[in-house]
Amino acid sequence: GAVVSQHPSWVICKSGTSVKIECRSLDFQATTMFWYRQFPKQSLMLMATSNEGSKATYEQGVEKDKFLINHASLTLSTLTVTSAHPEDSSFYICSAELGSHSNTEAFFGQGTRLTVV
Amino acid sequence: SQQGEEDPQALSIQEGENATMNCSYKTSINNLQWYRQNSGRGLVHLILIRSNEREKHSGRLRVTLDTSKKSSSLLITASRAADTASYFCATTKTSYDKVIFGPGTSLSVIP
Repeated sequence: GAVVSQHPSWVICKSGTSVKIECRSLDFQATTMFWYRQFPKQSLMLMATSNEGSKATYEQGVEKDKFLINHASLTLSTLTVTSAHPEDSSFYICSAELGSHSNTEAFFGQGTRLTVV
Repeated sequence: SQQGEEDPQALSIQEGENATMNCSYKTSINNLQWYRQNSGRGLVHLILIRSNEREKHSGRLRVTLDTSKKSSSLLITASRAADTASYFCATTKTSYDKVIFGPGTSLSVIP
């Protein structure tokens, strides 16, 4: 089946630094990818929709200048957490849809656990 | 914003019993998916049910969908301790659309 690969699976960074998370569709092209964030004991919340070749669409309350999204190719989207702070510590996960017409299915990456110290 | 609600929020049962989790959503959907997530880990896809389907089975899992009531249920039969996890329903409104997750049900299966 289709695979979405996310890297790194975990990262620890110092407060004030930036962290880049990669999301790749391994055996299919994805013009659209999605980024989610999950805080402990909570559900996954959509952060933004990543569109290949154009600007990302951010959900209300998500700072676009803090969470930079680049979707430069049909198989790669990146999320950069800029000037990270401890409150940005979370589980970040991406997804891409595969299918045709009305029969599509979402495939998720393994997730990235970010800890800002 | 999240699509709907799940109940119960937490469920604790004895090994061997059946577990039923319910999910409601607010808008029309293209499909509904159920996922499992072990603590601190990634998502495991369980079942996808399309809007024109009413019931699907996969092993010990049974999912129903009632589009008139905008609700779905996940039944796990003969539960095992390894089934302990959080379970999320998730919906898409159209194809190639974002997935919206419910708040999830935390299931504990006691050996």
